[in-house]
Amino acid sequence: DGGITQSPKYLFRKEGQNVTLSCEQNLNHDAMYWYRQDPGQGLRLIYYSQIVNDFQKGDIAEGYSVSREKKESFPLTVTSAQKNPTAFYLCASGGAYNSPLHFGNGTRLTVT
Amino acid sequence: GEDVEQSLFLSVREGDSSVINCTYTDSSSTYLYWYKQEPGAGLQLLTYIFSNMDMKQDQRLTVLLNKKDKHLSLRIADTQTGDSAIYFCAESGPTSGTYKYIFGTGTRLKVLA
Repeated sequence: DGGITQSPKYLFRKEGQNVTLSCEQNLNHDAMYWYRQDPGQGLRLIYYSQIVNDFQKGDIAEGYSVSREKKESFPLTVTSAQKNPTAFYLCASGGAYNSPLHFGNGTRLTVT
Repeated sequence: GEDVEQSLFLSVREGDSSVINCTYTDSSSTYLYWYKQEPGAGLQLLTYIFSNMDMKQDQRLTVLLNKKDKHLSLRIADTQTGDSAIYFCAESGPTSGTYKYIFGTGTRLKVLA
């Protein structure tokens, strides 16, 4: 079955450590996105990539980094520079322009 | 900038119809979407409508679009307890040479048995 896989589902880290969240898709989609979701808030765009080896900052990119070396993969690194990293992170992918986004099941990151 | 607004909560009785409303500001929106999110899960696409349509029906779901007022609604007929979730409205359209998706803050639907 085609879909988006995010791993792990839960992640715990100590403050000051970098952590990488995995996102893999087998939908053959060109575009991939990372969103952050906090309680009572909508989705905020962190980074997006419309093609391999290219990506753009979203609205809240500070403290995050990404890479897009393969079409199927778009990992997100939460660095120690991110002031408030505890959140639910959602990865999505999309096909042609304006097609609906498909989402993974999310990774809940807790930093203490 | 572009914005999508939704009310935060809606409570209905099982078997009744639910209507979730959304307003958006971007007049260049091309598609409008409704997603459902259950606890601890990602967003599941429910339905979407092209901006030149007024209505779309899909089984228990009816989407109405008033482009003049930039108002979108999702009606769920015969609401069941399994429909309890957060519903997100989203819009996409060309922004600065790329396509951007803007999401609302979500409406939490609670279905009372």
